[in-house]
This record gives sequence, structure tokens and C-alpha cells, in this order.
Amino acid sequence: DAGVIQSPRHEVTEMGQEVTLRCKPISGHNSLFWYRQTMMRGLELLIYFNNNVPIDDSGMPEDRFSAKMPNASFSTLKIQPSEPRDSAVYFCASSEMDGTSLSYNEQFFGPGTRLTVL
Amino acid sequence: AQKVTQAQTEISVVEKEDVTLDCVYETRDTTYYLFWYKQPPSGELVFLIRRNSFDEQNEISGRYSWNFQKSTSSFNFTITASQVVDSAVYFCALSEATYNTDKLIFGTGTRLQVFP
Repeated sequence: DAGVIQSPRHEVTEMGQEVTLRCKPISGHNSLFWYRQTMMRGLELLIYFNNNVPIDDSGMPEDRFSAKMPNASFSTLKIQPSEPRDSAVYFCASSEMDGTSLSYNEQFFGPGTRLTVL
Repeated sequence: AQKVTQAQTEISVVEKEDVTLDCVYETRDTTYYLFWYKQPPSGELVFLIRRNSFDEQNEISGRYSWNFQKSTSSFNFTITASQVVDSAVYFCALSEATYNTDKLIFGTGTRLQVFP
């Protein structure tokens, strides 16, 4: 089975450029998460979707960040314009939430996209 | 508020030693889930275990074991006879089992270095 797929794996861009990160969740999973990992702040949840609907975007740092999930098999995280402080590893994860409060399924993470903004 | 504390920033051991990684959590919910993830040097996050708040039985999986104690709000992870391949950053995480949300709150991680 294919795991969570992220592209690109590495991205180097210049300040002010638009960056788009892509994620394909595991087939059948209905929750998708975007995380950012830095040395200073550790792992931070940016936004997550359930059944393609954004549920909580309180972790999105600024209006420069936006995320979409047009269908169950694809999501994007866009940064426009990018800044050097956005340099981090961005992870996408997916899980199969069954919609009850008595069961919870683990999140499976993609390999991450290492973003460097010069 | 939910919080996960991993007080050990870095641990170094020599191969074959046993090592315990501590995790202390805070939550006001009675139903919640605890997780451990491993992040090896290659960078990906690998799921290790999930435990729900109703199940305090300890779990063993090969050289790995987990000790869940609600009385002390701890979910500690022990590696027996450590190996070099165990070198990684280990994250403990908490999720409250609230309908229609499955956010994970991660601790800051413990970097384990196992030397030959």
C-alpha cells in the first residue's frame, strides 16, 4: 500500500516567491493534516481537514499561508509570498477517523517537504 | 488545556543498555489517546503505539514496552537492549477523543543516541 505522498521532497526558493506543497493522503483516509517542524518550535499543526472540509486552521501562522483540499485524494499548502522564516520541514499526515468519540485512529505521516527560503 | 511534556531533551546510551523515555501529559478530558512516534535521521515520522485512556495495561512489542499510569499522567517508553538503529527522536503525543476532531498535541521530543 502506498503511504502518504508529498511533493516536492525538497524546495529551495527565494524570498517573495510563491511556494506550493502537495499531498496525497492514504486512500480511504478521511482526515488530512498539515504540520510544520522547526528546531525552535518543534512540530506544529497548521491546519486539518475532515472529509475535505477545513476543521481547524488556528495553527496557520499568517494570511500568507493557505491550504485547500479539492477532493479526497489531494491537498495543497501554499505560501505566498514566502519568507526566510518559513524555512522548515512540512509534513502531511492522514488518518481514518470514524466519527465517534470512542475510537481514534493513528495519523500516518508523509516523508515531508524540506523548504528553504533564501 | 492539553499539554505533553518530554523533559528529557537528549539521552545517550551505549548499545545493549535499557533506556526509558518519559512522557507526562495534561488533559481535562476523561477520554483521550496517547501515542508515541519515532523520527529517525531520515526524517519521516513513524507511528509506534496508540493507547486509550481506558486501557492502563502495559504493552510490550519486542524490545519496546510502554507503561501507562493515569495516576501520574505518564506514558513512558522503554527500549530494552538498545541498538544503534534505535537512534532517533521520539515524540509522545496526546489527542482528546472529541467528536469530529482528532488533533494531536506533540511533546518536544527526546533525542536518543545509541553508541556502539
